[in-house]
Amino acid sequence: QSALTQPPSVSGSPGQSVAISCTGTSSDVGSYNRVSWYQQPPGTVPKLIIYEVTNRPSGVPDRFSGSKSGNTASLTISGLQAEDEADYYCSSYTSSSTYVFGPGTRVTVL
Amino acid sequence: DVQLVESGGGLVQPGGSLRLSCAASRFTLSHYYMHWVRQAPGKGLVWVSDINGDGTSTNYADSVKGRFIISRDNAKNTLYLQMNSLRADDSAVYFCGRGGPVAAVDIWGQGTMVTVSS
Repeated sequence: QSALTQPPSVSGSPGQSVAISCTGTSSDVGSYNRVSWYQQPPGTVPKLIIYEVTNRPSGVPDRFSGSKSGNTASLTISGLQAEDEADYYCSSYTSSSTYVFGPGTRVTVL
Repeated sequence: DVQLVESGGGLVQPGGSLRLSCAASRFTLSHYYMHWVRQAPGKGLVWVSDINGDGTSTNYADSVKGRFIISRDNAKNTLYLQMNSLRADDSAVYFCGRGGPVAAVDIWGQGTMVTVSS
């Protein structure tokens, strides 16, 4: 059950776009469209922002979008806002019927 | 609002046991998979275990397999995590979560802290 791979940090100015990659294997990300993304501002509880690779729960701004190619999923935040500063985690279902998270990516708004 | 409230965390010695509870309100627990996810201080999220709606199917991370047991009492709308043979690296905030959309946790509890130390 190896963790997924994410960059430790990304940053951007307000209004810019940033992308976070999430690399797994053919046993998780590459085999299932069961990739989700969570946002966790410091000191708060995680919040689901993307499920099934591309779907947004009700209430999540359309500035957040997801995609996948092969073993790598991506989260893009368009029109970056100060309130988007948080840790972002990807997660995938695996062939062992378990789940695995990435180590998290800190997004900083400059 | 839909809510999950964890309890049962605390300080325990290495090798000891602890049982966490997660009370669900304003939704019917039996309709959902449920998960436990933990987060050590300053670290990332780690999936621990899940259980299907009627409790007949469970899965565990390798790091807790054979030591932790997930269960549920749908009549009490409550999820449990029995943690045995605890180690220092089990120290973390433990979140319970509702399995909402496909393979995602859509509702999270506030978490309960478990500290394993002598």
